[in-house]
Amino acid sequence: DAGVIQSPRHEVTEMGQEVTLRCKPISGHDYLFWYRQTMMRGLELLIYFNNNVPIDDSGMPEDRFSAKMPNASFSTLKIQPSEPRDSAVYFCASSFRSGDYGYTFGSGTRLTVV
Amino acid sequence: QKEVEQNSGPLSVPEGAIASLNCTYSDRGSQSFFWYRQYSGKSPELIMSIYSNGDKEDGRFTAQLNKASQYVSLLIRDSQPSDSATYLCAVTDSGGSYIPTFGRGTSLIVHP
Repeated sequence: DAGVIQSPRHEVTEMGQEVTLRCKPISGHDYLFWYRQTMMRGLELLIYFNNNVPIDDSGMPEDRFSAKMPNASFSTLKIQPSEPRDSAVYFCASSFRSGDYGYTFGSGTRLTVV
Repeated sequence: QKEVEQNSGPLSVPEGAIASLNCTYSDRGSQSFFWYRQYSGKSPELIMSIYSNGDKEDGRFTAQLNKASQYVSLLIRDSQPSDSATYLCAVTDSGGSYIPTFGRGTSLIVHP
């Protein structure tokens, strides 16, 4: 298996633009997680899905953030409009069961909003 | 708010020494505990999991869990420069979701 695949690896965008981050989880994993990592706040859980259904989005910072999982092999995290404070590394992770056996993280997307 | 606390470091040890990384957590009902290693510019990688009190060994790594004192530690024996990374502790929620809360991580530097 190729692991959790994220794209793009780097994204530089101007404030106000829409940003879409993509993730393909490991086949057979039924949980998918979106995290954001910054120096100030560490690793923050934004939202997670179980069998493609959003379970907890309480970590999504504002309405500007949205996430979807239309099928078991694809998820998106969208920011519209983007702001400089959204600059961070965004990780997608997947697991079998809820994480009781640990996660596999994707390589991340480094987002810079200027 | 469930908390997972780690000393941010950096912890600096000489090559060949034992590195000891510590983590405390607030949720007394937590059941699963993990250590992730994150190299600079890379994603976290799961290296150890522990579920019951005591020690668990895997190669040069030993995880230690003490639920009564609410701490979990990671020992790295015969530390190598390639072990230089940030080590994240993660502890699962006891409320039924089993979603881990991550600590901020401890930076480890192993110098030759």
